[in-house]
Amino acid sequence: NAGVTQTPKFQVLKTGQSMTLQCAQDMNHEYMSWYRQDPGMGLRLIHYSVGAGITDQGEVPNGYNVSRSTTEDFPLRLLSAAPSQTSVYFCASRRMAITSYEQYFGPGTRLTVT
Amino acid sequence: QQPVQSPQAVILREGEDAVINCSSSKALYSVHWYRQKHGEAPVFLMILLKGGEQKGHDKISASFNEKKQQSSLYLTASQLSYSGTYFCGTETAGNNRKLIWGLGTSLAVNP
Repeated sequence: NAGVTQTPKFQVLKTGQSMTLQCAQDMNHEYMSWYRQDPGMGLRLIHYSVGAGITDQGEVPNGYNVSRSTTEDFPLRLLSAAPSQTSVYFCASRRMAITSYEQYFGPGTRLTVT
Repeated sequence: QQPVQSPQAVILREGEDAVINCSSSKALYSVHWYRQKHGEAPVFLMILLKGGEQKGHDKISASFNEKKQQSSLYLTASQLSYSGTYFCGTETAGNNRKLIWGLGTSLAVNP
């Protein structure tokens, strides 16, 4: 199993540009989520999905869109990049069940917006 | 809604013990503990479920006090490899299984 994969690893954007961060998992996990991590701010939830076709907003959704057409893929779209979106982005997945299961993180995408 | 972690930072000598706390104002369904090293993704340590269960892994263990809505992570006989930032993630009932994270506790273990 490759686990959770993210591409690209690094990206530099100019203000106003759009792009998509890719995330895929091969563990058949129902639950997928996107976080951003800024110094001193911990992990903040952007969007999440409990299954294909179902997405919902997290704590900091503004400026980002997601879709979940398959169980495996959960791309994050930046509509019009702003310097405030400079951050490290982590995608994660886990099983959904009555009990709680560990969350697996991807390696992260380091995004700089100039 | 964000859990509160304490302390913010800890500096230890190798072999010393530490306790990291994670408190919530809401009723918790589960508490997840992760460690993150600089430039890397968070790595899973353990999950504590509602019910006061205590878990352990090697010299790292944790407890969950349901009355206080608090979890504590115990690191005993610390090793250099324990250095990193420790995060707790909390899941509350009826919150669609979202994990909300504390701000982290930075732990440095020196020789």
